[in-house]
Amino acid sequence: DQQVKQNSPSLSVQEGRISILNCDYTNSMFDYFLWYKKYPAEGPTFLISISSIKDKNEDGRFTVFLNKSAKHLSLHIVPSQPGDSAVYFCAAQNTGTASKLTFGTGTRLQVTL
Amino acid sequence: DVKVTQSSRYLVKRTGEKVFLECVQDMDHENMFWYRQDPGLGLRLIYFSYDVKMKEKGDIPEGYSVSREKKERFSLILESASTNQTSMYLCASRTGGDHTEAFFGQGTRLTVV
Repeated sequence: DQQVKQNSPSLSVQEGRISILNCDYTNSMFDYFLWYKKYPAEGPTFLISISSIKDKNEDGRFTVFLNKSAKHLSLHIVPSQPGDSAVYFCAAQNTGTASKLTFGTGTRLQVTL
Repeated sequence: DVKVTQSSRYLVKRTGEKVFLECVQDMDHENMFWYRQDPGLGLRLIYFSYDVKMKEKGDIPEGYSVSREKKERFSLILESASTNQTSMYLCASRTGGDHTEAFFGQGTRLTVV
């Protein structure tokens, strides 16, 4: 049972444009969400997070939006750069249980020139 | 900087061998995790540990065991390697507080032949 879903396996965006990566979850007990970026043959690196008490968090070119009623979050990258080409994973945690993170299946972003 | 170090980047093992994957973190984190990453399946949790000598099964523990004798070290053991355990293995650590990110190692690409 996939509790965190990223329905788009891949996304291609032109340099300078906005990239929007989506993530849906089914467990209403999740209350903390994170985005990770992963290059081939490397471990994931943390990008940005959001608590369920907020609906938006911004860090430079990266903004995460959370819609709790829809159980949906999205990551916006503006402007997109070629170095952003990677696989992006969303992750979720229920802080009422053990501190494990449940990950989605990932979206491969390609930023073209 | 938090550092999570996995002992090998690449490993090739034969079917039936016992395989040890080692992970060390230098930030005194209480929680440590082992995930595997497979195409189309994202990151799936194998086992995690929230304290020395404590462990809990993740979503796909079959065929694996773990050991945490010291706080900084978390080992993943494949009791009898099989070809379906060919994968990228990722170790992560995380502090015990809520709403914190997990830090990942560089990954071990294991091939079982």
